[in-house]
Amino acid sequence: GNSVTQMEGPVTLSEEAFLTINCTYTATGYPSLFWYVQYPGEGLQLLLKATKADDKGSNKGFEATYRKETTSFHLEKGSVQVSDSAVYFCALSGNTPLVFGKGTRLSVIA
Amino acid sequence: NAGVMQNPRHLVRRRGQEARLRCSPMKGHSHVYWYRQLPEEGLKFMVYLQKENIIDESGMPKERFSAEFPKEGPSILRIQQVVRGDSAAYFCASSPESRGEKLFFGSGTQLSVL
Repeated sequence: GNSVTQMEGPVTLSEEAFLTINCTYTATGYPSLFWYVQYPGEGLQLLLKATKADDKGSNKGFEATYRKETTSFHLEKGSVQVSDSAVYFCALSGNTPLVFGKGTRLSVIA
Repeated sequence: NAGVMQNPRHLVRRRGQEARLRCSPMKGHSHVYWYRQLPEEGLKFMVYLQKENIIDESGMPKERFSAEFPKEGPSILRIQQVVRGDSAAYFCASSPESRGEKLFFGSGTQLSVL
């Protein structure tokens, strides 16, 4: 079945550091890929998405590229801020409801 | 435009009691999904409903759990005879489309079973 594997957290970075959160997937067919973010005490919000191979999703300085050859969708940001502290979830959709990874907690310190 | 509303935010039950979690989707959304978030386990899909119909309940435990989305009113996730292992955050999400790729999540209900 479909599945998503994310790097284990927590990740702690200093402000303005470069962020990478790895995500790989297993799926049949051609899924769409997503990153969702969960701020403390809130529900998940869609951060970005990509619907086909080589597509790049971007939002709020975050980027992720759909790599079919490596079945990956790594999340990157060039310079993180304290306000980026949250839990990040990679997800995919195929012919089933969204399948989520376990989440990666990011803490950014000033 | 109000978002997805879940209540209560926190629910405490003793073992053996019933828990009812409510979810009002965004206006115009007729597709509702329930997910459970256990510590260190991420979100697990439970059930997908359209108005008055259960479309996919492949993630629902076979016993004690049920869900409905009536023609009028919120979607309800019901857990009978709760056990400590049911303690988790339960999230509802709604979507305007059946494919459900873009989900709008509520803030969740934290269920604690004593």
